[in-house]
Amino acid sequence: QMQLVQSGADVKKPGASVKVSCKASGYTFTDYYIHWMRQAPGQGLEWMGWIIPNSGGTNYAQNFQGRVTMTRDTSINTAYMDLSRLRSDDTAIYFCAFCASIGCLRGMDVWGQGTTVIVS
Amino acid sequence: DIVLTQSPGTLSLSPGERATLSCRASQSVTRNFLAWFQQKPGQAPRLLIHGASTRAAGIPDRFSGSGSETDFTLTIGRLEPEDFAVYHCQQYGSSPLTFGGGTKVEIK
Repeated sequence: QMQLVQSGADVKKPGASVKVSCKASGYTFTDYYIHWMRQAPGQGLEWMGWIIPNSGGTNYAQNFQGRVTMTRDTSINTAYMDLSRLRSDDTAIYFCAFCASIGCLRGMDVWGQGTTVIVS
Repeated sequence: DIVLTQSPGTLSLSPGERATLSCRASQSVTRNFLAWFQQKPGQAPRLLIHGASTRAAGIPDRFSGSGSETDFTLTIGRLEPEDFAVYHCQQYGSSPLTFGGGTKVEIK
């Protein structure tokens, strides 16, 4: 079955960077965009951007421009989200997800399990 | 950016009751690309509804979505014990994608 498996929890100091991985299986990795979201403790979900696994093209939310970099390695079917200059308010659970349909006609239906990042 | 406002923030109901959740958009959602997710503690969101009214695969028919343009509703026909959770709406018709603040459905 289609699946995304994310890297484990991480603790970082303010000013550092974190890199979260998202490994895909059960489908052709280059077929669908990978989206990244985050959820701060007790808060709602926030979309960070997407990457096109085929080309490496990206689209970042304005809130994260200049601090986020999304990349992928198609040889191992893995997407990455790198967030730099970390602050305490970057403490959150980070999710990758994709729409398993062309044009996202069936919504964002496959999610990773989430990666907790603590900045302290 | 499209701002999504969910109401109420918390809904206190008993099992077997009907739940009605609202999601209002600050501008029309392109192609009614409005989704609803359910999230339980420690879990990733689970897609319930896409395209405002289409149930995702495997979702029970007690969940239904309705609405268009700026006003959307998620209805849970009769609450089962496993339905007590947080519900998020999301618009995915235009960039940036945005989410509402969530509605918590709790046991009364």
